[in-house]
Amino acid sequence: QKEVEQDPGPLSVPEGAIVSLNCTYSNSAFQYFMWYRQYSRKGPELLMYTYSSGNKEDGRFTAQVDKSSKYISLFIRDSQPSDSATYLCAMSLNSGNTPLVFGKGTRLSVIA
Amino acid sequence: GAVVSQHPSWVICKSGTSVKIECRSLDFQATTMFWYRQFPKQSLMLMATSNEGSKATYEQGVEKDKFLINHASLTLSTLTVTSAHPEDSSFYICSARDSRGDEKLFFGSGTQLSVL
Repeated sequence: QKEVEQDPGPLSVPEGAIVSLNCTYSNSAFQYFMWYRQYSRKGPELLMYTYSSGNKEDGRFTAQVDKSSKYISLFIRDSQPSDSATYLCAMSLNSGNTPLVFGKGTRLSVIA
Repeated sequence: GAVVSQHPSWVICKSGTSVKIECRSLDFQATTMFWYRQFPKQSLMLMATSNEGSKATYEQGVEKDKFLINHASLTLSTLTVTSAHPEDSSFYICSARDSRGDEKLFFGSGTQLSVL
């Protein structure tokens, strides 16, 4: 079993739809959870950063962490064509210099 | 968020030449930087962890003599692909954490390397 599982998609939705992206993980020691957005041939951009279970909202984006189920989600409301990108979940242990563990990324296309 | 500058953005070189990629943290200090490579439609693959003032830690299967990493200051790490071959063609991305901050990792814009 891989440490972080993420459905690669592709996921295609109409403009305005609510998008749900998910990751599961196996290591209960993960403490920090992040979502990155990556456009083609660009470096990943940090979208959301959370610590502990619960919800965090930032504009049209909501990150959700359920540590008991080892499950994290990213919701995008009122999706736009500019949201079309690959979304990567990432997580980290509680240690400053350890690298992040990434999911494979989900390719999202928002159709106008 | 913090800014990580990476250049060049793309490079085309002949087989057998060496290529240097620079990664700078512009508005913060980073004792640790990470180097990744990414093949088309694949996720990020960690190559090595670069520590300021000490030797880099390489992931299994990554040749340290081929991918030379230097982290001479708190704001600069370089990756040199020595004697590049076509199979080294890939998208290379660096990342860094603010030494005084939290677990957030910020990425450079990436370098597309094409070896002919």
